[in-house]
Amino acid sequence: DIQMTQSPSSLSASIGDRVTITCQASQDISNYLNWYQQKPGKAPKLLIYDASNLQTGVPSRFSGSGSGTDFTFTISSLQPQDIATYYCQQYDNVPITFGPGTKVDIK
Amino acid sequence: EVQLVESGGGLVQPGGSLRLTCAASGFTSSSYSMNWVRQAPGKGLEWLSYISGNSYNIYYADSVKGRFTISRDNAKNSLYLQMNSLRAEDTAVYYCARSQSSNGWGSNWFDPWGQGTLVAVSS
Repeated sequence: DIQMTQSPSSLSASIGDRVTITCQASQDISNYLNWYQQKPGKAPKLLIYDASNLQTGVPSRFSGSGSGTDFTFTISSLQPQDIATYYCQQYDNVPITFGPGTKVDIK
Repeated sequence: EVQLVESGGGLVQPGGSLRLTCAASGFTSSSYSMNWVRQAPGKGLEWLSYISGNSYNIYYADSVKGRFTISRDNAKNSLYLQMNSLRAEDTAVYYCARSQSSNGWGSNWFDPWGQGTLVAVSS
């Protein structure tokens, strides 16, 4: 199975700050990497697919990059509504696996 | 509006069975592969199973292989998860989620997701 790690596991930042989350795969997954946002009590929401493609309707302050084993997710200017847990997910191989999540809150 | 709605969750004793249903609307069900994903209380996301649009390709996570069965009825725009031999560790919110491909493995980003249904396994 492909193991996904994320760092940090949690972070606190101020409104307007640039926030960066990294995701690492245990083997090369090309660009088969997606990012989701999950708010408490809600279903996850797709933000980024195939490492760098912004899902329709998602604000442009969200972005993703990377390929192979190392990926980055960025919020360019943190907003109050961005408080959530963020997960990466690979689909290069079965089983599909998610990272453990990064919890983002306001400092 | 594209929408997924899960049902069928509830409290079940260890060793028991449940069948979850995911009702799809707003799109042609047979044109998309579908998945089940769960989230234990306070934990992360765990993918469980995938079924292609024509039901020819089915995959499971090792944690549920042999106990859970995914199926679909495209005429009813419905996805199912039959869960047998349930254990306490199966307690979770269960989500259905749509992939973007029809029958090939690619484009497995999940959008949309249902609202989830809670399964609690306890005596």
